[in-house]
Amino acid sequence: KNEVEQSPQNLTAQEGEFITINCSYSVGISALHWLQQHPGGGIVSLFMLSSGKKKHGRLIATINIQEKHSSLHITASHPRDSAVYICAVHNTDKLIFGTGTRLQVFP
Amino acid sequence: DVKVTQSSRYLVKRTGEKVFLECVQDMDHENMFWYRQDPGLGLRLIYFSYDVKMKEKGDIPEGYSVSREKKERFSLILESASTNQTSMYLCASSLGAGWYEQYFGPGTRLTVT
Repeated sequence: KNEVEQSPQNLTAQEGEFITINCSYSVGISALHWLQQHPGGGIVSLFMLSSGKKKHGRLIATINIQEKHSSLHITASHPRDSAVYICAVHNTDKLIFGTGTRLQVFP
Repeated sequence: DVKVTQSSRYLVKRTGEKVFLECVQDMDHENMFWYRQDPGLGLRLIYFSYDVKMKEKGDIPEGYSVSREKKERFSLILESASTNQTSMYLCASSLGAGWYEQYFGPGTRLTVT
């Protein structure tokens, strides 16, 4: 069993829909990251959080430390949000990655 | 803005060749990392470095070595490339140890034939 599990693996949505991607982990962590990877490979960091909730534009990330669970929400989704979203947890000095959620948003 | 660059976006090599992948960061970061990314497996850590001339094995170091002679540059070496090393290779850097944000390069898609 992977130490970081994401669901769903694949997600399709119509433009404007509210989207939720989930991440569960089984190890102790000091922080959790949400990353975005567009076709072509480059990865950018969206959020790093260790408690509560963070918001940036249409993106919201929450974490529940007791339940070892985090969610990434996208409000009013847009085709440019189409990407792979990756959850990663900081365990000691290393990041442990989930396998990613591939999101496609259609106009 | 932090910039992490990698020497090639696409690379095709033959089995048995020695392959060098280079990564350069411009923000004086202490830590640098090499990952490979494969479908269904996510990113896996190959090696990382906390300082010049220092290296630590990650989760899958077999078949790879690294070099960090200068703070800004971290090289990944495949001593004798094999087809199972066909993958996307991503370099990253971070300011320090612990839970600092990692900044990723654009990736090198390596094909070994």
